[in-house]
Amino acid sequence: DTGVSQDPRHKITKRGQNVTFRCDPISEHNRLYWYRQTLGQGPEFLTYFQNEAQLEKSRLLSDRFSAERPKGSFSTLEIQRTEQGDSAMYLCASSSNRRIGSPYGYTFGSGTRLTVV
Amino acid sequence: TQLLEQSPQFLSIQEGENLTVYCNSSSVFSSLQWYRQEPGEGPVLLVTVVTGGEVKKLKRLTFQFGDARKDSSLHITAAQPGDTGLYLCAGVWNAGNMLTFGGGTRLMVKP
Repeated sequence: DTGVSQDPRHKITKRGQNVTFRCDPISEHNRLYWYRQTLGQGPEFLTYFQNEAQLEKSRLLSDRFSAERPKGSFSTLEIQRTEQGDSAMYLCASSSNRRIGSPYGYTFGSGTRLTVV
Repeated sequence: TQLLEQSPQFLSIQEGENLTVYCNSSSVFSSLQWYRQEPGEGPVLLVTVVTGGEVKKLKRLTFQFGDARKDSSLHITAAQPGDTGLYLCAGVWNAGNMLTFGGGTRLMVKP
């Protein structure tokens, strides 16, 4: 397994356009998370899935944001009608809650850097 | 709202110096993790601490979890330029919930 993959690595879009990002988690991980990180800050939680079920969404996730994980494998994050304030690094992470014993860590992808102009 | 505060926000030191980074919360963690992030990349897990008072070592890095499980520290001995990066603490307050990150400490180690 090559870890968590995110595509694209960089995206430049004009304000008002829609964008979609993809995340492929580690295959045996049943949990998938989306975070957003702006320059100089720590990652902020957006949403997470256990298998195909979206279990939690942050209040940061406006109606313009939607995430899916249709078959419990890869996930997509779509932003509609992008705004300049959406410019950030969008990070995907995966983990497993199936390990018995010590808490799991997250494995992050390299992120998708979005610039809205 | 559960907040994690990290200090200092920025740290610039010379190679060979020691440093300590702090992570504090008003809430009790069920577990806490430390990550290191390089520019343009995602965070990479360094360590997970679970038990109050726990100390873990990773080469020149020493991680400590407070007795009350509300705070943690990362100590680096004899820092090297390769230690440069953003150090993030992240906590879980309820088992099974997502990680909440602190704002990070940006470390620069000059040769």
